[in-house]
Amino acid sequence: RKEVEQDPGPFNVPEGATVAFNCTYSNSASQSFFWYRQDCRKEPKLLMSVYSSGNEDGRFTAQLNRASQYISLLIRDSKLSDSATYLCVVNPGGFKTIFGAGTRLFVKA
Amino acid sequence: DTEVTQTPKHLVMGMTNKKSLKCEQHMGHRAMYWYKQKAKKPPELMFVYSYEKLSINESVPSRFSPECPNSSLLNLHLHALQPEDSALYLCASSQDHGYDTGELFFGEGSRLTVL
Repeated sequence: RKEVEQDPGPFNVPEGATVAFNCTYSNSASQSFFWYRQDCRKEPKLLMSVYSSGNEDGRFTAQLNRASQYISLLIRDSKLSDSATYLCVVNPGGFKTIFGAGTRLFVKA
Repeated sequence: DTEVTQTPKHLVMGMTNKKSLKCEQHMGHRAMYWYKQKAKKPPELMFVYSYEKLSINESVPSRFSPECPNSSLLNLHLHALQPEDSALYLCASSQDHGYDTGELFFGEGSRLTVL
């Protein structure tokens, strides 16, 4: 089993749609969780950290379920500019941050 | 603009060449990283320096040699590379909280082609 697993997609959605990405992780001792966004041929950039209480930033909502070892990202009212690869990132402690394979999102007009 | 600067942005080298990738950050971060990323794959960790000491080497071949001259600079020396080493090499930095890294700040990457 991979340490961090994501549905690779691609997800093709129309503008204005709501889309959800899921991620599971295998190490129950993992301490911190993130969603990064990576545009084509660019570097990954932090989208949001994920907290046990859940957190929201505008159209983006992230949830963490430690019991199920599951992280989600919800994007509401999708924009064309949301087209990117979304990377689920888990830190089990120390420096070995683990990246999921990424989920590709295409938002179409 | 990214606060982690990498040079060069593009590099083409032959298998017998020696070249270096450079990375600089001025955020006061004490942990610096090299990642390798192939097309349509996630970044793979290569090396981590913490307080200028090599903390992690993910069994990277010796043809890649990292160096951390000071807390702001990180180099990756390349020698006798293979065509399969062609990839995007990403430098990152983070605070060192002692228990985890927190957010990673990435540079724009150096795109390497080995002929």
